[in-house]
Amino acid sequence: KQEVTQIPAALSVPEGENLVLNCSFTDSAIYNLQWFRQDPGKGLTSLLLIQSSQREQTSGRLNASLDKSSGRSTLYIAASQPGDSATYLCAVEGAGGGNKLTFGTGTQLKVEL
Amino acid sequence: SQTIHQWPATLVQPVGSPLSLECTVEGTSNPNLYWYRQAAGRGLQLLFYSVGIGQISSEVPQNLSASRPQDRQFILSSKKLLLSDSGFYLCAWSRGQGRYEQYFGPGTRLTVT
Repeated sequence: KQEVTQIPAALSVPEGENLVLNCSFTDSAIYNLQWFRQDPGKGLTSLLLIQSSQREQTSGRLNASLDKSSGRSTLYIAASQPGDSATYLCAVEGAGGGNKLTFGTGTQLKVEL
Repeated sequence: SQTIHQWPATLVQPVGSPLSLECTVEGTSNPNLYWYRQAAGRGLQLLFYSVGIGQISSEVPQNLSASRPQDRQFILSSKKLLLSDSGFYLCAWSRGQGRYEQYFGPGTRLTVT
């Protein structure tokens, strides 16, 4: 059974810092890994999708990497801003079909002025 | 562009009452559809998914059921709610498996009293 872990559970940084969020998964037989952002009381916003054959994806100040063989992914946020404050979730799609995602429990990020 | 709607946004229901949550997707056809639940202090749990009209797969045994009466409509139901059914219910869609992102609706906050 796939298990997804995110470290740290919470993170507080001053504005402008570069930061890294970590995600690990136990079963490397995945189709892809997806990073989401969730604001309090809201739905999830998709940030980046990395296919299993890819090593990284970039969108603006966000860069996500994937090392499938070691079961790890990182989300790098450059020059953090207070608007980046949210919970960040990673999820993997297993090779079992149905496009089903297994989620981590998230990293709650606070960027302070 | 595609949009996903959920209603109601919030719901307070007594134990033993029925439930019906609705999700609709616009701007695409034959999407995969998903119901997730996010309970307080816990991660996102996949409840049901559907790859077509009338095709429903259940991920966990529970007090809930799902139906897909139309291509872009997904309904979550219960005949008798339990206290443990409280949570944040999220609907999502994707174009298929392997290469496609999942996109989430705004969610329904259900409180069973």
